[in-house]
Formats: sequence, structure tokens, C-alpha cells
Amino acid sequence: GAVVSQHPSWVICKSGTSVKIECRSLDFQATTMFWYRQFPKQSLMLMATSNEGSKATYEQGVEKDKFLINHASLTLSTLTVTSAHPEDSSFYICSASLGFDTQYFGPGTRLTVL
Amino acid sequence: AQKVTQAQTEISVVEKEDVTLDCVYETRDTTYYLFWYKQPPSGELVFLIRRNSFDEQNEISGRYSWNFQKSTSSFNFTITASQVVDSAVYFCALSEAYSGAGSYQLTFGKGTKLSVIP
Repeated sequence: GAVVSQHPSWVICKSGTSVKIECRSLDFQATTMFWYRQFPKQSLMLMATSNEGSKATYEQGVEKDKFLINHASLTLSTLTVTSAHPEDSSFYICSASLGFDTQYFGPGTRLTVL
Repeated sequence: AQKVTQAQTEISVVEKEDVTLDCVYETRDTTYYLFWYKQPPSGELVFLIRRNSFDEQNEISGRYSWNFQKSTSSFNFTITASQVVDSAVYFCALSEAYSGAGSYQLTFGKGTKLSVIP
């Protein structure tokens, strides 16, 4: 149980374009989803916390207009990287929480911006 | 503020050796959760264990064991008879009981890269 999927698993795009990443909880309803970014050989950095039906809470230093998060249902959250630039290239990971303590992670999306 | 320290950046062991990964945490809360996750080269984080602050019993799961000591704020992870498949980055993480964001935010350590050499 507690399976989280992400799509796509990898994406290459041109600078200036927007990219949407989907995060789905497959076998449970997630009250909260989290979005992380991980640069090579570094730890996970929380970008935002997303609750179904409400606006996401962004961490300090994360531009909300650049990283748009939509949490439309209890099983789906999307992260859109708008006007992507090479410095946005990273590994983006989502997680979903059942509402108390354990987060279950998706397989991640590797974004490369040319 | 909460903090997780994994002082070991990289560890290499020969297959079948035992290895312990250290984790030290800081928190002001009396109620919190500690986690270990494994991140193999594929990138996906695999949940290994969750321990709440009121349960100091050590846990064993196959070749894995965890030693939780509140007195030293440590939650160490030992792999017995290591195997090549154990090669991965291991993250220790801390969650306070309520972060104000509606759920339990995780603070990760920097991770320890374990290489098991055949």
C-alpha cells in the first residue's frame, strides 16, 4: 500500500517553456502532498506543502509564481515550473501524507532545461 | 528549529561487514517522529522505519536494526552482513508533531552514501 506515482519520470525542455509534473497517490487519499527539490549529491529541500482545496504553503526562498502548485483532489497534485531556466534543472520529488506522520515518496522527476 | 545531522558523508564497506549509520537530531518538541529512508541510484526514496519520541525500544527488521536513544538525541541505523544491494544514500529525517502547515513536515539530514563492495 501507500504508492505514489509521478509523471513524467524525466523531461527535457527548452529555456523559457513551462513544464508540468503530476503526483498521484494511487491507493490512498492524501490530505497533504509535499514537493521537494534535490540537486546532485545533496539532500531533499522542501519547496512547498499542498493541502487539497487550498493554496500551497511555500518555503522561504521558493518563488510561488514560478513554481505553481495545484492540489485539485485528494489523489492528485501538480507542480508547474513556469518559464524554466537551466538553473531549474533538478530532481523534483513529491510525497503524500495520510494526514498524520509518514510521508510516502514518488519516484521523482528529473528535469533538464536546455 | 529542528535539525538533523548525519556526520558521515560516505562510507565504504566490504560485503558481509556490519555498518552503522549515525543520526543526531535537535528539536524542542517532546512529541516528534524519526524516520530513515533509503535512496538507491534510481532516485526513489524508500521508507524504512518510523519511530515516535515516546517509543525508545530498539527495532530489528531482518538485517536492519535501529537504536533510538533520547538521552543522546540519536537514532542510529545498523545493517548487519551488508550486501551490494544495500548500496544507496540513506537519509535520516525528523518530523515534529505539528508544523502549522496542516501536516508533518520533514527535516532531512544530508544523507550518508553507503557503498558495499563485493
